[in-house]
Amino acid sequence: AAGVIQSPRHLIKEKRETATLKCYPIPRHDTVYWYQQGPGQDPQFLISFYEKMQSDKGSIPDRFSAQQFSDYHSELNMSSLELGDSALYFCASSLENTEAFFGQGTRLTVV
Amino acid sequence: SQQGEEDPQALSIQEGENATMNCSYKTSINNLQWYRQNSGRGLVHLILIRSNEREKHSGRLRVTLDTSKKSSSLLITASRAADTASYFCATDKGYSTLTFGKGTMLLVSP
Repeated sequence: AAGVIQSPRHLIKEKRETATLKCYPIPRHDTVYWYQQGPGQDPQFLISFYEKMQSDKGSIPDRFSAQQFSDYHSELNMSSLELGDSALYFCASSLENTEAFFGQGTRLTVV
Repeated sequence: SQQGEEDPQALSIQEGENATMNCSYKTSINNLQWYRQNSGRGLVHLILIRSNEREKHSGRLRVTLDTSKKSSSLLITASRAADTASYFCATDKGYSTLTFGKGTMLLVSP
């Protein structure tokens, strides 16, 4: 069965650079979520989209933005990167508020 | 305050033993889900229990939910070394956001 696909799997950026993370949800899923997980931390909710409209917002810095496109893929844009942005970034998708299935994540390292 | 607090934070057992992890939450929920995460890897969905359910089984997993105590437990029976991972509970209130707890690190020794 198709799963949530995230790209890239690994990303190394320098401070103050910009990064774009991509997420391809499971086909026909109507909700996409983004989470950030720092080392040894639990996943923290960033933002979600329902049917391409932003539905909920968590602790997402103003330097970050996200959108969901007409083909339902989503992108998380991160600007003016800081060392503290180094983390695993997960995308998940779900259908009609049932189980959320997570991608393998993008490991972002800011140096 | 944090929704979804797991205990214990770490659990070390021998293969064949049962592992029980608990999760408490603070506000009313719609669903509670358990996830597993191997070190630095993705979150794998294990089981979802709805607020009107009290117990659910899936293979060697048994989840209970006590909404009066705002708590859930995950029991893994006959544990295996491959069960070594972190286990998180996550709650939702019927709309999009999942709120995760801190997780329990389970170590199963051969």
